[in-house]
Amino acid sequence: AQKVTQAQTEISVVEKEDVTLDCVYETRDTTYYLFWYKQPPSGELVFLIRRNSFDEQNEISGRYSWNFQKSTSSFNFTITASQVVDSAVYFCALSGGMIYNQGGKLIFGQGTELSVKP
Amino acid sequence: GAGVSQTPSNKVTEKGKYVELRCDPISGHTALYWYRQSLGQGPEFLIYFQGTGAADDSGLPNDRFFAVRPEGSVSTLKIQRTERGDSAVYLCASSFASHETQYFGPGTRLLVL
Repeated sequence: AQKVTQAQTEISVVEKEDVTLDCVYETRDTTYYLFWYKQPPSGELVFLIRRNSFDEQNEISGRYSWNFQKSTSSFNFTITASQVVDSAVYFCALSGGMIYNQGGKLIFGQGTELSVKP
Repeated sequence: GAGVSQTPSNKVTEKGKYVELRCDPISGHTALYWYRQSLGQGPEFLIYFQGTGAADDSGLPNDRFFAVRPEGSVSTLKIQRTERGDSAVYLCASSFASHETQYFGPGTRLLVL
């Protein structure tokens, strides 16, 4: 089976602090894809990143960075120098490969609600 | 170009009624997905279309739920004999192909009284 766990339900930080959102996944597929989405109070899911299982390089995009470690089945997301506009619910998601998930449906974690206070 | 659009944005209905929710994907996207999101939860998969056919409907909760995509573009999610437990936000997403990045619409908030 496939599963995504985001153990942190809520995180509250003060502006300019760094914050890391944890994501742990389970899958039997050897080829799979990992995603992060942001859901601001407006409700629409906004795509942040897609990573395939063969690419373990960490990625940085502005204040955002992602750490993918296959050995621990984790795909953590760090926001550096957080801002009030980063306040949202963040979802980690998994899409399987050819064995268990031929269509690419997303399996989402429960989400982490990040609150950045001024 | 335009993103995924969904109509209506909000729908209030009475228990036992029939509802239709519409999704208009990004032009050229062959894959279309429906998800349901309850309050405080992550989205849960309902059904996936590749072109006109439903390639995976394993997430539909029961036979009151049905979806179509007759011309391979717009899709309609149909719910018969609605129940209060069907109240949720119904999200549609599309991607260029399966396993590619899915882009989500704003959702339809369904409330069954």
